Amino acid sequence: NAGVTQTPKFRILKIGQSMTLQCAQDMNHNYMYWYRQDPGMGLKLIYYSVGAGITDKGEVPNGYNVSRSTTEDFPLRLELAAPSQTSVYFCASRKGTGAFFGQGTRLTVV
Amino acid sequence: AQKITQTQPGMFVQEKEAVTLDCTYDTSDQSYGLFWYKQPSSGEMIFLIYQGSYDEQNATEGRYSLNFQKARKSANLVISASQLGDSAMYFCAMIFPRGQGNLIFGKGTKLSVKP
Repeated sequence: NAGVTQTPKFRILKIGQSMTLQCAQDMNHNYMYWYRQDPGMGLKLIYYSVGAGITDKGEVPNGYNVSRSTTEDFPLRLELAAPSQTSVYFCASRKGTGAFFGQGTRLTVV
Repeated sequence: AQKITQTQPGMFVQEKEAVTLDCTYDTSDQSYGLFWYKQPSSGEMIFLIYQGSYDEQNATEGRYSLNFQKARKSANLVISASQLGDSAMYFCAMIFPRGQGNLIFGKGTKLSVKP
């Protein structure tokens, strides 16, 4: 039982490049979330999903896209990376009273 | 709109003493859940404790307890017998089951435990 798995752990992107952050959970959780955490700050919600095929915007969705084709996977797509997207990205999943996080992806855009 | 407020950017506590980290929230929903997470310097988010809005008893998990005052809309985390390993960022978070499943976070409190 791996919980929530994020890949990659680290990535450096050049301005204008695109990439997909992967998130997978094996707990059969309906809810999944993507957050970003800037240095010394709290977590800001980017997108979330309440189940396969259903996604919705959070507080800071601009510059990102998501899809949820299966219960297990919730990838986050960055198009045309910008320095402002330099951050640590966390994926989380929840069912009932348990909400668990992946280890995070540290992304630097240069 | 729902909001979580943590008013203490930083706290110090002496080892072996108890400490309370404040969290207030604003919502018109009657059904919601409150979480506390610990984020050590290594960066991972560690789930500590959960309280449901309809739970009659305050939640406890080992040295962690949640002082839930529904009328005041507060959900303070109490850590008893602080240890050096408790030094970390602590985040309060809220979920709205009757809404769209949002899980939102406060800005966090940095706790430093002094030997």
